[in-house]
Amino acid sequence: SQQGEEDPQALSIQEGENATMNCSYKTSINNLQWYRQNSGRGLVHLILIRSNEREKHSGRLRVTLDTSKKSSSLLITASRAADTASYFCATVFSGGYNKLIFGAGTRLAVHP
Amino acid sequence: ETGVTQSPTHLIKTRGQQVTLRCSSQSGHNTVSWYQQALGQGPQFIFQYYREEENGRGNFPPRFSGLQFPNYSSELNVNALELDDSALYLCASSPSIAGGREQYFGPGTRLTVT
Repeated sequence: SQQGEEDPQALSIQEGENATMNCSYKTSINNLQWYRQNSGRGLVHLILIRSNEREKHSGRLRVTLDTSKKSSSLLITASRAADTASYFCATVFSGGYNKLIFGAGTRLAVHP
Repeated sequence: ETGVTQSPTHLIKTRGQQVTLRCSSQSGHNTVSWYQQALGQGPQFIFQYYREEENGRGNFPPRFSGLQFPNYSSELNVNALELDDSALYLCASSPSIAGGREQYFGPGTRLTVT
């Protein structure tokens, strides 16, 4: 079974708008990572946030982590058509080895 | 620096057959993990190899097996294929077995079992 759940399952927006995706998980984590997948191909690592961090930025990406609520969010600002993809959160358990537990993903469509 | 590569890109097999998928890890990465991604789902962890030893395994039956070679490349073998084995198989490498590092994924092998 999968650790996390992403919300929403699908998101459709216009270019220039912001996109927010949420992820919830069930157990204590070492870190949480966000990945992007285009058209059912390989995953691309976007950002890693550790359990002792609350917010992290990378370019147009902003990730927050709330360990008390066991949840994270990914914000993509000023979205572009090229951001169209599936986005997955993945968790690494505390004290565990480097095994990623993925959620089911959010499918983002950005329309020109 | 060469990224993670996988072969073949696509594969069609018949139920009951056996298949071998291959992965070359990114240069300098000693840890390789395999994931299965069914259509419309997130990837599911199959197992991980570190220095030629299986380091952990997900909820997959023994007919899923693997190998890692001294150059850190890896194989995933699946015996007695079932229709539900149809999926995208992803290989990922990491520079460390520790739980604090990102993983670098290959483009995947699309397996169809008929």
